[in-house]
Amino acid sequence: LAKTTQPISMDSYEGQEVNITCSHNNIATNDYITWYQQFPSQGPRFIIQGYKTKVTNEVASLFIPADRKSSTLSLPRVSLSDTAVYYCLVGDMNTGFQKLVFGTGTRLLVSP
Amino acid sequence: DVKVTQSSRYLVKRTGEKVFLECVQDMDHENMFWYRQDPGLGLRLIYFSYDVKMKEKGDIPEGYSVSREKKERFSLILESASTNQTSMYLCASGLFGSRGTGELFFGEGSRLTVL
Repeated sequence: LAKTTQPISMDSYEGQEVNITCSHNNIATNDYITWYQQFPSQGPRFIIQGYKTKVTNEVASLFIPADRKSSTLSLPRVSLSDTAVYYCLVGDMNTGFQKLVFGTGTRLLVSP
Repeated sequence: DVKVTQSSRYLVKRTGEKVFLECVQDMDHENMFWYRQDPGLGLRLIYFSYDVKMKEKGDIPEGYSVSREKKERFSLILESASTNQTSMYLCASGLFGSRGTGELFFGEGSRLTVL
């Protein structure tokens, strides 16, 4: 099972681009990388998912290098409302018979 | 939209009490998960289920049991609550394989305090 490592916390200012990197050195061939966002007193919610190269949606981009041993979540022009904890999760999306284990997450604080 | 509903947002129980945490999802998901979340420790997997009546231990199953009698419902049971089980409990469901993307949908959480 791929273990993930993320920075514990990051600080940014409104309008800046924020990049959060996740390390997953023993990622398996069938594993996908998924990022979640969690606000206080709420459950995490899905942000973006990818397998390789680059994925972009309306809220974020996900960059995955060729060796797939790490990934970077990119949040363009953050606002105060992006203050949250961000988790990266690595797992095989083809089967639910697996332990989906989250890391400790990255606490992002966006200041005015 | 997928909805995952946890029966209680806040509970206060006494040491030794039996505690039931209920989770219901409305999207016919086969897979359901129970996590607990504590400051500095992230989300830790307690149990998961991949079908009715099927369950597997996660990383911290001690002191907990689960029940999945119907597809939409996954219950977490603390047979004899202890103070070290004071925590936020999060339920999630998802669909994998050809029918889904593996995205997890979480409930709002149940904050349990054991006195």
